[in-house]
Amino acid sequence: DTEVTQTPKHLVMGMTNKKSLKCEQHMGHRAMYWYKQKAKKPPELMFVYSYEKLSINESVPSRFSPECPNSSLLNLHLHALQPEDSALYLCASSQDHRGRIYNEQFFGPGTRLTVL
Amino acid sequence: EDQVTQSPEALRLQEGESSSLNCSYTVSGLRGLFWYRQDPGKGPEFLFTLYSAGEEKEKERLKATLTKKESFLHITAPKPEDSATYLCAVQAGDTGFQKLVFGTGTRLLVSP
Repeated sequence: DTEVTQTPKHLVMGMTNKKSLKCEQHMGHRAMYWYKQKAKKPPELMFVYSYEKLSINESVPSRFSPECPNSSLLNLHLHALQPEDSALYLCASSQDHRGRIYNEQFFGPGTRLTVL
Repeated sequence: EDQVTQSPEALRLQEGESSSLNCSYTVSGLRGLFWYRQDPGKGPEFLFTLYSAGEEKEKERLKATLTKKESFLHITAPKPEDSATYLCAVQAGDTGFQKLVFGTGTRLLVSP
């Protein structure tokens, strides 16, 4: 099973709303990722969690707040977003890096976010 | 700085017309090169991992190869359902192994 699931599929929110994106995997992976993808651009890394601890934060604005409640779940809390934050938000997971030369990342289907 | 460049940016083929997509990379200590397929509005679908120069991987009409400076994705006798954006990404270095550095992709359109 190489499936990563994300909910919701689509989200429309105002600039004053608070919402959350959810991601789940059952592959036993211990690294999970959030990416942001704008139209016709490649995915941009936002956050990496390794063994439920934040490992990488790519200087993302504080209006995006990640959370990893357990090894299978990853959340992205959204607050006071701007219209330019509208994008496809992708979750991915992989084996943790320790003891491995490379780590294949498997992506979920994404959440299409529109900020009005 | 690690860089990945894909060409062409867009490619239009007739059904059955074979071709190749290119991914050239400049990295410090390649750990792995990955090919993904992405359909519009969906997440990237993992296709291949290549690790060492000379390595080849195949899946249906797709074949990926790797040299010390570039990778090719060969598409043999493509069908319309092969239409998608193909992304190349690398993992490199001692501290970057969790990061994927993506190219900008090749948009492939296969016409019947």
